[in-house]
Parts: sequence; C-alpha cells; structure tokens
Amino acid sequence: IAGITQAPTSQILAAGRRMTLRCTQDMRHNAMYWYRQDLGLGLRLIHYSNTAGTTGKGEVPDGYSVSRANTDDFPLTLASAVPSQTSVYFCASTDRGYGYTFGSGTRLTVV
Amino acid sequence: GDSVTQMEGPVTLSEEAFLTINCTYTATGYPSLFWYVQYPGEGLQLLLKATKADDKGSNKGFEATYRKETTSFHLEKGSVQVSDSAVYFCALSEINAGGTSYGKLTFGQGTILTVHP
Repeated sequence: IAGITQAPTSQILAAGRRMTLRCTQDMRHNAMYWYRQDLGLGLRLIHYSNTAGTTGKGEVPDGYSVSRANTDDFPLTLASAVPSQTSVYFCASTDRGYGYTFGSGTRLTVV
Repeated sequence: GDSVTQMEGPVTLSEEAFLTINCTYTATGYPSLFWYVQYPGEGLQLLLKATKADDKGSNKGFEATYRKETTSFHLEKGSVQVSDSAVYFCALSEINAGGTSYGKLTFGQGTILTVHP
C-alpha cells in the first residue's frame, strides 16, 4: 500500500540525547515535510525538501536538522534533545501541492 | 507570510445539530485550501479541498466553499454524528511561493469537535 512510513511510533528520550526520526515514502513524491503538532498550536513546519538533494527551514527549525539523500527518505534529527521538543511529529509528502499524504506520526517525549 | 485562522474551540454539539467551523486565511498568492480531520489517536486525513475561487469541496456530508472575496473557507455539516468527534484543521498551500517553499501546508490551530448523543 502506497504511503508514508514513520518510525518509531513512540519514544521516550533522555534530555541531551541524539535521536533520528525516520520517514520513508514509496510514492516518488518530490516534496517532503516535517511538522510538529502541539495542543492549541496546530501543526508547525520544521523543515521541508522540494526535491532530493535540497532542504529548507520552516517555521520552527531550531534544534532540528534534516537530509534528503534520495527521493524516498527524509530523516529528522534532534542533535541534543530538550523537553520543549516533546511533541507529535508528522512527516508528509506531495507531488504537485494538490494532494498531501501524511504518516501516522511519532510521539516523542523528552524527559 | 501565509496564515490560517480558525474559530476558537472546543465546539460541543448534540447529535444532528448543524456545524460551522470558521476559517479565514491570508496569502501572498492564490492558494489551494484544505480541511483535514484527525480522529483520536490517529494521523491527519484529508476531508475536502478546493483549488480555485467559488469551488465547493465536499465529503462525508461536510462542505466548504472557497470565498476569495472574504478570504474564507468555512466548514459546514447539516447534521453531525457522534462519529464526527475529532479535531479539524483548516490549511492552505501555495504552489509557487517564489520557489522557496513549494507547496508547504500552513495550518490553523485546529478546532476540537465533540458530539454528544
């Protein structure tokens, strides 16, 4: 079934640790995105990639990095986790901006 | 920059009541507009969309009309059910925002809807 796979589903992480959230799509979409969802704030864009080999900063990029080595994968890395990064993270993709596919999310708790 | 404003929630209704969730937007170009729904414990699902002025998106009894003159995309349903209880997000995307943020979705803050029997 075509779609986006995110891993892990949930994680409890000690503050200061490094973590990579994985996102893989099999639809050959050019553009991919990482959002974080926080109560009362909706979804906010962290980083995006218009095509393989390029990335850009979104609304809340501090403390996060991404890479786009190929079309399918778009990992999100927290170099040194802090409690304010406790959130639900969603990966998404689109081909022409008219239809978006979302992953099922990663629930991250930083303690 | 682009922004989306939704009516403040939460919204609590009785079954079969009429639902309206207001959504207004600001955008530099000519955006596409979306409503997404998130059921408890799940990810986001596209509910409906509209890509040009006066288009009406509809799905599962929900409707929204793209009103360029009022920069609005209000969500409506004539008779809600308990199963409609969820969080609803209004969102927009711009396809060619200078080529620097191709197609990124900008979301409203979400409206929690609870429907009682």
